[in-house]
Amino acid sequence: AQKITQTQPGMFVQEKEAVTLDCTYDTSDPSYGLFWYKQPSSGEMIFLIYQGSYDQQNATEGRYSLNFQKARKSANLVISASQLGDSAMYFCAMRGMDSSYKLIFGSGTRLLVRP
Amino acid sequence: DAMVIQNPRYQVTQFGKPVTLSCSQTLNHNVMYWYQQKSSQAPKLLFHYYDKDFNNEADTPDNFQSRRPNTSFCFLDIRSPGLGDAAMYLCATSRETRTLIYGYTFGSGTRLTVV
Repeated sequence: AQKITQTQPGMFVQEKEAVTLDCTYDTSDPSYGLFWYKQPSSGEMIFLIYQGSYDQQNATEGRYSLNFQKARKSANLVISASQLGDSAMYFCAMRGMDSSYKLIFGSGTRLLVRP
Repeated sequence: DAMVIQNPRYQVTQFGKPVTLSCSQTLNHNVMYWYQQKSSQAPKLLFHYYDKDFNNEADTPDNFQSRRPNTSFCFLDIRSPGLGDAAMYLCATSRETRTLIYGYTFGSGTRLTVV
């Protein structure tokens, strides 16, 4: 079965600095998709970035990049130039055949950006 | 803008009194999902509809039911809410189930309080 692990329950970062949120996963599928979502205190789940298991390059979307290390089964999210509005809960998630293509989530990391 | 809309944003219900949460989408996605998210936890999938086909998760309590009268709307019915059912309920959509590329589009959620 597929499993997502986020080992950092909470993190602090200074405004304008970069921060890395860790995510490791476990699957026997050769083909899968990895996602990061942001959940502000208001509750909505906002899609940030996607990485396919066969993608050769790391995904980037504006200030977000995904450090994909397939052999280590890790998919860390890097946020550059942190802003106060980045304070939120961040979830790593994946889809694959093991989960019948349903999106499964890690336990999340709460990020607080300090001014 | 195409989107997923959940009503109401906040719902207070009495212990044991049936309650219905609604979700609508303008994306014309054929799959709709309901997640339950308790405080500081990852979202947990309750069930999903692939077109008109209902798919229940094995550990979803019988107290939770769902209806999808058409492509655009999906309802979550809680027949006899208990205090343990207080949570954020997230509706999500996707184009299809057996894909890795597309993530889910989430609504803003309904925060349910049981008194």
